[in-house]
Amino acid sequence: GAVVSQHPSRVICKSGTSVKIECRSLDFQATTMFWYRQFPKQSLMLMATSNEGSKATYEQGVEKDKFLINHASLTLSTLTVTSAHPEDSSFYICSASYGGGTAETQYFGPGTRLLVL
Amino acid sequence: DAKTTQPTSMDCAEGRAANLPCNHSTISGNEYVYWYRQIHSQGPQYIIHGLKNNETNEMASLIITEDRKSSTLILPHATLRDTAVYYCIVRVGGGGFKTIFGAGTRLFVKA
Repeated sequence: GAVVSQHPSRVICKSGTSVKIECRSLDFQATTMFWYRQFPKQSLMLMATSNEGSKATYEQGVEKDKFLINHASLTLSTLTVTSAHPEDSSFYICSASYGGGTAETQYFGPGTRLLVL
Repeated sequence: DAKTTQPTSMDCAEGRAANLPCNHSTISGNEYVYWYRQIHSQGPQYIIHGLKNNETNEMASLIITEDRKSSTLILPHATLRDTAVYYCIVRVGGGGFKTIFGAGTRLFVKA
């Protein structure tokens, strides 16, 4: 149980185009999902917190108009990188919260590697 | 969230126990200790978490000191597949709370 998937696993796009990444909780309902970005040899950096049915909360320095997040259902959140540029090339990872107790655990997806040419 | 301090890297011989320390001296009473690991080019994998009691599951054991200012993750019989970056994270329990990653410990398991 507690499986999170992402699609696609890797994508290559041209500069100026938009790319959508899906994050799904396969066997549980997730009221909260999180989006991270990871550059080579660095740790994960939190980009935003996504709550079902409401607007995402972005971390300081993350452009909300560039990284559009939609959390339309309890099992799906999407991240759209708009007008992508080479500096947006990175490993994007989502996570979803699972559990009903006082210490809910976050489970992570396998990541999406984005390369912008 | 409380800040954690972990060694940058550690080595361990295959088949031996790997003991990964973590200092979290400013932990609050309602904050849990979580451990995740990330194998190269994959998403982080949940390992274990605890509040104040020692915990054990099929993957590892978590030993938390009585004052809760530090903890140790123990992989009882390390294998080559355990080579990864291990993250110790302290945060409030509850799904809506952010998980902030530090630099972690890079564990190398050697044959």
